[in-house]
Amino acid sequence: DVKVTQSSRYLVKRTGEKVFLECVQDMDHENMFWYRQDPGLGLRLIYFSYDVKMKEKGDIPEGYSVSREKKERFSLILESASTNQTSMYLCASSFTGVADQPQHFGDGTRLSIL
Amino acid sequence: GDSVTQMEGPVTLSEEAFLTINCTYTATGYPSLFWYVQYPGEGLQLLLKATKADDKGSNKGFEATYRKETTSFHLEKGSVQVSDSAVYFCALSEEANDYKLSFGAGTTVTVRA
Repeated sequence: DVKVTQSSRYLVKRTGEKVFLECVQDMDHENMFWYRQDPGLGLRLIYFSYDVKMKEKGDIPEGYSVSREKKERFSLILESASTNQTSMYLCASSFTGVADQPQHFGDGTRLSIL
Repeated sequence: GDSVTQMEGPVTLSEEAFLTINCTYTATGYPSLFWYVQYPGEGLQLLLKATKADDKGSNKGFEATYRKETTSFHLEKGSVQVSDSAVYFCALSEEANDYKLSFGAGTTVTVRA
C-alpha cells in the first residue's frame, strides 16, 4: 500500500516563526501536493510538484513556499506564520499524466499559529 | 474552470437508513470523478471512482454513477452503519487542468446507533 507520511500530527507555532511541514511518500510517485483544509471550504491546493526541483502554484500560494530536493520528499514552508494560516494541512502524492490515478493522502498536520 | 458542488451537511442518519449525497460538477472536457472519505483524525482515502459516462464506481456498499447528461456523480448507500460516520468529498480531475483534483466542500455524515 502507498504510504504518505507527514512529520507531525499536531503543531503549535507563534506568529512570525518560519514553519516547516514535511511529507514523505514511498511509492515513487512523480506528483506531490500540499492542501489546506478548512471547514466549509473543502480542500484548497497550495502548491504542487511534478518532479524533483519543480514546483507550481496552486490556488492559494500566498504566504507559502515549497521545496522538493528528492523525489520522495515535499516540504511546505510558511515563511512568516500568521494566525490565518491556522488550519489542517494535507499532503498527497500520485502518478503522473493519467486522469484516473487517485491521489494518496497523509493523515494531516493540524497547525495552530498563536 | 473546474468546480464541484456538493450538498451541504451535516447529515445525521440512523443505522440502516439510506444515504444519498448529491454532487454536480462543471468541467471543460471529460473528467474522471472521485469520492473520497475522511474518517475522524485521518487523511482522505479514495472511496470510489468513475472515468467515463455511465460508469458506476462501487466500494464498501457505496455506489455512484457518472451521469454526463446531468453532470452529476451522486453517492448512495442502501444501509449505513455507525462506522460510515465521516466527511465525504466529491472531486474531479481532467487533462485540461493538468489532472489536479478539484474538490467539493465536503459533507459531514453522522450515523447514530
